[in-house]
Amino acid sequence: DAGVIQSPRHEVTEMGQEVTLRCKPISGHNSLFWYRQTMMRGLELLIYFNNNVPIDDSGMPEDRFSAKMPNASFSTLKIQPSEPRDSAVYFCASSPLAGGTDTQYFGPGTRLTVL
Amino acid sequence: SQQGEEDPQALSIQEGENATMNCSYKTSINNLQWYRQNSGRGLVHLILIRSNEREKHSGRLRVTLDTSKKSSSLLITASRAADTASYFCRSGGYQKVTFGTGTKLQVIP
Repeated sequence: DAGVIQSPRHEVTEMGQEVTLRCKPISGHNSLFWYRQTMMRGLELLIYFNNNVPIDDSGMPEDRFSAKMPNASFSTLKIQPSEPRDSAVYFCASSPLAGGTDTQYFGPGTRLTVL
Repeated sequence: SQQGEEDPQALSIQEGENATMNCSYKTSINNLQWYRQNSGRGLVHLILIRSNEREKHSGRLRVTLDTSKKSSSLLITASRAADTASYFCRSGGYQKVTFGTGTKLQVIP
């Protein structure tokens, strides 16, 4: 079975540009999570969805960040406009059950560099 | 939110030795999960222990849970160089949950 798929794997962009990260969760999973990982802040939960509905977006750093899940097999995390401090590895994870307490399965991550 | 806190932050051992990592959490949980992250990769789930369990084994891994102390430990026996990674705990409760800062384990061949 394919795991969680993320694209692109690497993204280098200039400050002010729009960045869109994509995630395909494991088929049949009901929860999807977006995380950001940096050396300074560790692994931060940005937002999670249950059954395609955003449940908790309190981790989204500011209005420049937005996430959508238009269907059960696709989610996007958008940063507009991007800033150098957004440079990080962004992970998407999915989980079989809704509710956020079950085992999570992580994608390989997108390494974002904003110049 | 509740957050697992791992201890120690870093651990360096010789191959063949056992490695023990601890995790503390703050509120009630229904399970606790341990994950491993190799450098540059996503986290990989290792083991889940439910709140009504005290100990669980999986291969060379042994996890204990003490809900009265709100703590868990992960023991890796007979460590190998391939065990070098960061290890995170995640406390699964009924509120927003997230990961701790991790223990960075280095196993020296």
